[in-house]
Amino acid sequence: QKEVEQNSGPLSVPEGAIASLNCTYSDRVSQSFFWYRQYSGKSPELIMSIYSNGDKEDGRFTAQLNKASQYVSLLIRDSQPSDSATYLCAVNIEEDSSYKLIFGSGTRLLVRP
Amino acid sequence: DAGVTQSPTHLIKTRGQHVTLRCSPISGHKSVSWYQQVLGQGPQFIFQYYEKEERGRGNFPDRFSARQFPNYSSELNVNALLLGDSALYLCASRQGNYGYTFGSGTRLTVV
Repeated sequence: QKEVEQNSGPLSVPEGAIASLNCTYSDRVSQSFFWYRQYSGKSPELIMSIYSNGDKEDGRFTAQLNKASQYVSLLIRDSQPSDSATYLCAVNIEEDSSYKLIFGSGTRLLVRP
Repeated sequence: DAGVTQSPTHLIKTRGQHVTLRCSPISGHKSVSWYQQVLGQGPQFIFQYYEKEERGRGNFPDRFSARQFPNYSSELNVNALLLGDSALYLCASRQGNYGYTFGSGTRLTVV
C-alpha cells in the first residue's frame, strides 16, 4: 500500500515567520512530487513541483526533496495570513502505464496576524 | 486561456440515483484524471484517461465509470448513489511531466 503521510496540524505560526511543512512517502520509485494549497471549500492549487534531490525555490516557497529518506518538505518564508490553508503533499505514481497522484491528508496552516 | 472546467458546480441527488459529472481539460492536454475528496482527507484517485483510453483505475466500485471523448473532455458517471458518495469530485489535466492542474470541482451531496 503506497502511502503519503503528513501531520494534520494545525501548524500555527506568526505573520512573517517561516512555516515548515513535512511529508513522508512509502513508494521508492516515485519520481515527481508536488505541493498543493487548498483553501476551505476550494479545489487544490499547485504551488510547487520537485523532481530531483535538493532544494527548489520559487518566490517565498522552497521545496526540499530527499529520496533516500523518502522525505519532502515545503518552507514558506515571510508567512502571510493569506497563506492560511491546507497544504497537500502529493506523490506521482506510475503503475502499468497509468499515472496517479497519491495525496497525504494535508496539513492545516494558520498564520496569525 | 481557460483552465480545467467542470460542471455542474454543485449537485444534490437522492440515494439510488445516477449522476454524470463533466470535465474539459486545458487546451492541448490529452490526459484527464478524476479524484474524489471527502471532507478532511486528501483526494483519492478514481480514473485516468489518456487519448480516450482508460489507463488506470483506483479502488472504487464498478458503480463508478468514466469515458473520454475525441476532444479530450471527460465524463464521470456514478450509478446507484450511496450517502458515502457525497464528496468533492475533482478533474485534473496534465501535459507531459508537469504538475496536474485541477478544476474547481463538483460538490455532490447525496441525501
